[in-house]
Amino acid sequence: NAGVTQTPKFRVLKTGQSMTLLCAQDMNHEYMYWYRQDPGMGLRLIHYSVGEGTTAKGEVPDGYNVSRLKKQNFLLGLESAAPSQTSVYFCASSDRDRGRFDEAFFGQGTRLTVV
Amino acid sequence: GQNIDQPTEMTATEGAIVQINCTYQTSGFNGLFWYQQHAGEAPTFLSYNVLDGLEEKGRFSSFLSRSKGYSYLLLKELQMKDSASYLCAVRPNAGNNRKLIWGLGTSLAVNP
Repeated sequence: NAGVTQTPKFRVLKTGQSMTLLCAQDMNHEYMYWYRQDPGMGLRLIHYSVGEGTTAKGEVPDGYNVSRLKKQNFLLGLESAAPSQTSVYFCASSDRDRGRFDEAFFGQGTRLTVV
Repeated sequence: GQNIDQPTEMTATEGAIVQINCTYQTSGFNGLFWYQQHAGEAPTFLSYNVLDGLEEKGRFSSFLSRSKGYSYLLLKELQMKDSASYLCAVRPNAGNNRKLIWGLGTSLAVNP
């Protein structure tokens, strides 16, 4: 059982380049999230999804797009990378609240540097 | 606004007990989570409180007082591997709004 898997683990981009981060979960979770984590800023929610085919904006959505075409996958796209998007990106998933708490399971993170 | 406060850093000695506090001011309350994050790794779930009181799980316990907007994580019999950042997070809303408000984390250093 792999849990939540993110690819790639590391990436260096030049300003203006585009890329897609892939998140895959094998726990049949309904909810998926993309966070970024920066020193002194904590975890900030970029976008999230409450089910296949749905997406919603989080706290810091500008410059990012997402898609959830399949329940197990949640893609994060950067159309034109900027140095301000240098960060560690975490994907997470959680189950529908079935009368108990629904802790989030995190992927191992993607360290992105934009130069 | 919505805010979560935690101490930035704490130090403790191996074998001792440490209490990490978290206070929150949020628009609503539908549960509080504690996560552990080792350097360079992903956060992992530790505990969840939604009702007042103490939840115990092995060496870790978490307490909640909703009226005071306060929680603490208690770590007993500290081990070197407990050196990590501890994140407090609150879910303000119920239903499909699954957003969490995250604290900046408390970096705990356990010394021999």
